[in-house]
Amino acid sequence: DAGVTQSPTHLIKTRGQHVTLRCSPISGHKSVSWYQQVLGQGPQFIFQYYEKEERGRGNFPDRFSARQFPNYSSELNVNALLLGDSALYLCASSEWLEETQYFGPGTRLLVL
Amino acid sequence: DAKTTQPNSMESNEEEPVHLPCNHSTISGTDYIHWYRQLPSQGPEYVIHGLTSNVNNRMASLAIAEDRKSSTLILHRATLRDAAVYYCILRDRGGGSNYKLTFGKGTLLTVNP
Repeated sequence: DAGVTQSPTHLIKTRGQHVTLRCSPISGHKSVSWYQQVLGQGPQFIFQYYEKEERGRGNFPDRFSARQFPNYSSELNVNALLLGDSALYLCASSEWLEETQYFGPGTRLLVL
Repeated sequence: DAKTTQPNSMESNEEEPVHLPCNHSTISGTDYIHWYRQLPSQGPEYVIHGLTSNVNNRMASLAIAEDRKSSTLILHRATLRDAAVYYCILRDRGGGSNYKLTFGKGTLLTVNP
């Protein structure tokens, strides 16, 4: 079975631009979570979705938004990019909210 | 969120056992202990989790202290592919609506050939 997939793998943007990152969960998984990992740190929680509803939000500004689609895939959107948004963005899926989360390979975003 | 304390780094030799400690003195009764690892340039990989009893799977063993204030991840025979950052995470399954994972800095495991 395919694991969590994310696209694109790498992305370069400039300050002020907008970016959309995509995630496809493991087949049968209904929950998707997003994390940001800056260099040298552990991943930080951004959002959790379950059955298309937001079920948790981390301490991130309103420039960050996400949604989950009927097929359980998800998008993370970041507006007005800042240099500090440069990071590895990780998507994790789980069968239910409380079940084990499995991570994708991440999208590496560089903001210049 | 309950916090965990891990050594910044550890070193091991190939084919020897590795014991990675984690302290979590403020653990609550509904916190599960999860371990993930992250190899260079990859997303975190689930290793094992447990509540009270010791747990074994094909990757590792998890030994949980009787008072649950500490735990140890055991890799029975380290290989070069086990070199990674290992994260010990407490996750509340007590019925709250937010089941996020709160990562610390983890333990960087170096495996020597």
